[in-house]
Amino acid sequence: GQNIDQPTEMTATEGAIVQINCTYQTSGFNGLFWYQQHAGEAPTFLSYNVLDGLEEKGRFSSFLSRSKGYSYLLLKELQMKDSASYLCAVMDSNYQLIWGAGTKLIIKP
Amino acid sequence: IAGITQAPTSQILAAGRRMTLRCTQDMRHNAMYWYRQDLGLGLRLIHYSNTAGTTGKGEVPDGYSVSRANTDDFPLTLASAVPSQTSVYFCASSGTSGNTGELFFGEGSRLTVL
Repeated sequence: GQNIDQPTEMTATEGAIVQINCTYQTSGFNGLFWYQQHAGEAPTFLSYNVLDGLEEKGRFSSFLSRSKGYSYLLLKELQMKDSASYLCAVMDSNYQLIWGAGTKLIIKP
Repeated sequence: IAGITQAPTSQILAAGRRMTLRCTQDMRHNAMYWYRQDLGLGLRLIHYSNTAGTTGKGEVPDGYSVSRANTDDFPLTLASAVPSQTSVYFCASSGTSGNTGELFFGEGSRLTVL
C-alpha cells in the first residue's frame, strides 16, 4: 500500500528552527509537496520538490532524498504565525496526490 | 479575486437527506477535486475532474457523486447522507491535470450528519 508518515505534533520556541520530517512509500514518484494549514482554514501551498536536494524559499526550505523516500521541511526564525499543521503529499505514478495526516506545529513564546 | 468559492460553509443535516456542496472557481483551471478531511487522517480524494465533461473516482467515492458541466463549477452530491460522512470537505483546483503543481483550495464546507 501507499503510505506517508509524519509526526503528529511538534513544539518549538519562537525564533528557533524546526525540522518536520516526512517519509513515504508510494507506487511511483512524481514530486513531493508541502502545504501549510492554519486551524479552520484551507491548506496553502508551500513547496514542491521533484529532484534531490534543498529548495529554499525565504524562512522555509524543503529537502528531498528520493532514494531514501524522505523529505523534510525546515522552518527558520519561527514566528507565532507559523503555528499550523504542515501537510506532506506525494504525487504517485498515476499523478494522484497521497497525503500524510499532517504535523501540528505549536510555537511557544 | 475569489479563487475558489464553496457553499455552504457549514451545514447540519439529518441522515437520509440529500445534500449538494457547491464549488465554483474563476481561475479557468482545468482540473478540480473534492477531498474530505477527518481528524488524524490525511486528505482523501473523493472525486476529481481533469476537464469539463469528465469525472473520475478517487480513494473514497462511495456515497458521493459529482458533475462537471462547465469549467467553473464542480458540485458534490450526497444522495442519502449517513453519519460517517460527517467531515470537512475541501474543493480544489489546479492549472493542469496530471503532472500539476500547486493546488488551490476553497475554504471548506463543514458537514455534520446526525
